[in-house]
Amino acid sequence: DAGVIQSPRHEVTEMGQEVTLRCKPISGHNSLFWYRQTMMRGLELLIYFNNNVPIDDSGMPEDRFSAKMPNASFSTLKIQPSEPRDSAVYFCASSIMGGTIRSPQHFGDGTRLSIL
Amino acid sequence: AQKITQTQPGMFVQEKEAVTLDCTYDTSDQSYGLFWYKQPSSGEMIFLIYQGSYDEQNATEGRYSLNFQKARKSANLVISASQLGDSAMYFCAIMEYGNKLVFGAGTILRVKS
Repeated sequence: DAGVIQSPRHEVTEMGQEVTLRCKPISGHNSLFWYRQTMMRGLELLIYFNNNVPIDDSGMPEDRFSAKMPNASFSTLKIQPSEPRDSAVYFCASSIMGGTIRSPQHFGDGTRLSIL
Repeated sequence: AQKITQTQPGMFVQEKEAVTLDCTYDTSDQSYGLFWYKQPSSGEMIFLIYQGSYDEQNATEGRYSLNFQKARKSANLVISASQLGDSAMYFCAIMEYGNKLVFGAGTILRVKS
């Protein structure tokens, strides 16, 4: 079974450039999450969607960050303009949102982003 | 207050022995879920085990079990018969209302041969 698919796996770019991270959730999952992992701050939830609708974006650090989910099988996280402090591993995860909270989130392999 | 506290930055265990990774949590919700994830050096996040706040029995999944003590607000992960492949970072996380996971800082486990 295909898991959560993220692309690219690695991204190295210069400060000021636009960065777009992509995610394809597991088919049938209706919740999607974007996380950022750094040594200093650990794993942080940036934003999550239920049924393609953004529910909580309180973790998005600045206006430079934006996320979209145009359909149930695709989401993007965009950083424009990028800065060196955005360097991190970005994870996408998906789960089934139902009447309980028992559904674990399944993570993609992450995108390792380096901003020079 | 921290939602999830993992007090052990690093742990060593001898191969084939059992190890307990500590996790305490803070919540005022009555309904919540506790999760453990494994992150090997390759970086992926692997779901291991889940415990619901209303579950009366401790969760088990193969060599993983969760020692859930609700009154103490602890959800320790027990790995039995440790293997070299268990060497990884382990994260405890809580899900309250709203489908959001909040992670602890993690514990690095090293299994010695």
